[in-house]
Amino acid sequence: ETGVTQTPRHLVMGMTNKKSLKCEQHLGHNAMYWYKQSAKKPLELMFVYNFKEQTENNSVPSRFSPECPNSSHLFLHLHTLQPEDSALYLCASSLTGDGNTIYFGEGSWLTVV
Amino acid sequence: TQLLEQSPQFLSIQEGENLTVYCNSSSVFSSLQWYRQEPGEGPVLLVTVVTGGEVKKLKRLTFQFGDARKDSSLHITAAQPGDTGLYLCAGVGGGTSYGKLTFGQGTILTVHP
Repeated sequence: ETGVTQTPRHLVMGMTNKKSLKCEQHLGHNAMYWYKQSAKKPLELMFVYNFKEQTENNSVPSRFSPECPNSSHLFLHLHTLQPEDSALYLCASSLTGDGNTIYFGEGSWLTVV
Repeated sequence: TQLLEQSPQFLSIQEGENLTVYCNSSSVFSSLQWYRQEPGEGPVLLVTVVTGGEVKKLKRLTFQFGDARKDSSLHITAAQPGDTGLYLCAGVGGGTSYGKLTFGQGTILTVHP
C-alpha cells in the first residue's frame, strides 16, 4: 500500500468507447502524474499536475484527457483509443518541493480491442 | 534528450548468486533513483543517490553513483527468489522539475530457488 490508489485495476474497452481511469492519493501531496508503461519501452511521463494546474503535457494525443479537480484526485479520460494505447497506466504523486521522490500507484491495465 | 541505457535487459540466475545491473547515460543527472516493480504492482522506490561516487547499501543491495553522475550500478549479493522483479533506474535532470524522471528500460530479474 503506497498511499496512491488507482481504479479500475483492469479495463478492456473498444476503440469507440469512452472510459476514465481514476487516481486518489492519501499522502497529502500536491503534485500528481500520469505515466504510461508499455512492453519493451521505458516508462513515459504523460502529464504533470502541480497544485491542480497542468504543468506538463508530454506531447500526448488528445484522445487522452486528464482532469485534476483537487490535489488528491486525478483522472485520465479515454476516448477513441487505438490498440497501440494498450498499456499499464501508472498514477504517481509527490510532495511539492520534495525534490523528485514520487510514489506510484499499482497501475491500471488497459486493453483496447 | 536524456537517455538511460540499462543492462542487461534480462537476468536469470540461481539463488545465492551475485549480480550487477548497470545504468548508463551520456547525460549528467542531478540524482538517480532505483525502483523495483513486482508483477501487478507499481514501481517502488528503493534508493536515491545524489553525490558523484556515492555508495548506498540496503541490506544485500549496493547502489553506486558514478563520479561524473552519468551512470549507476545496482549490485545484489546472494540473490534470493524474493528479489525477482523489474528493476528500473531513473535519472533526475538538473534544475527543478517535479517528477521529470528519465527512466531506463528496466532489467527483469528472475532468481530461481
